[in-house]
Amino acid sequence: DTAVSQTPKYLVTQMGNDKSIKCEQNLGHDTMYWYKQDSKKFLKIMFSYNNKELIINETVPNRFSPKSPDKAHLNLHINSLELGDSAVYFCASSGRELDTGELFFGEGSRLTVL
Amino acid sequence: QKEVEQNSGPLSVPEGAIASLNCTYSDRGSQSFFWYRQYSGKSPELIMFIYSNGDKEDGRFTAQLNKASQYVSLLIRDSQPSDSATYLCAVTGDYKLSFGAGTTVTVRA
Repeated sequence: DTAVSQTPKYLVTQMGNDKSIKCEQNLGHDTMYWYKQDSKKFLKIMFSYNNKELIINETVPNRFSPKSPDKAHLNLHINSLELGDSAVYFCASSGRELDTGELFFGEGSRLTVL
Repeated sequence: QKEVEQNSGPLSVPEGAIASLNCTYSDRGSQSFFWYRQYSGKSPELIMFIYSNGDKEDGRFTAQLNKASQYVSLLIRDSQPSDSATYLCAVTGDYKLSFGAGTTVTVRA
């Protein structure tokens, strides 16, 4: 049983379109995250939710809107896609104590904007 | 200035050699430090964490931390081809885990 699952794994779309990525974790963790990894492998945090509440928003354009219907799910909706949005988006979760540092990552969703 | 910086790669080492990876961080208040490994096309996975100054060994991996110098390193002894991956240094602070850009290691058979 996959601990953190993301769908879809691949998205190819045109500039200007809107797309969503879904994430679910079955680890019972309180905190979930979205990270963006660009072509140079730099992994940058976008959002963090703790028990459905937004706790980190790292100056991400407001075209990106996360939604957490419950603590096991964190979805990401992107409006008006731009070329620079092409990247791999990773969902992750962690237990109550972030200082353990163990993030459990999903397999990633590779977004290609043409 | 980036929060977490890693030595630029790629790093190529022969099988059986020691691979040495370095990382510096800017937030003096950071308390916890991690090394993640990411195989090509896969997600990152935690391989080591260290909280206290000094060395921490786990099998062929040794993490070293020097908080005064804001420096953390990872040594991979007896490198194997299966160690070929990108290694990401990560540091906690402000309720988040910040990653370096990663160092890609290739172990030559």
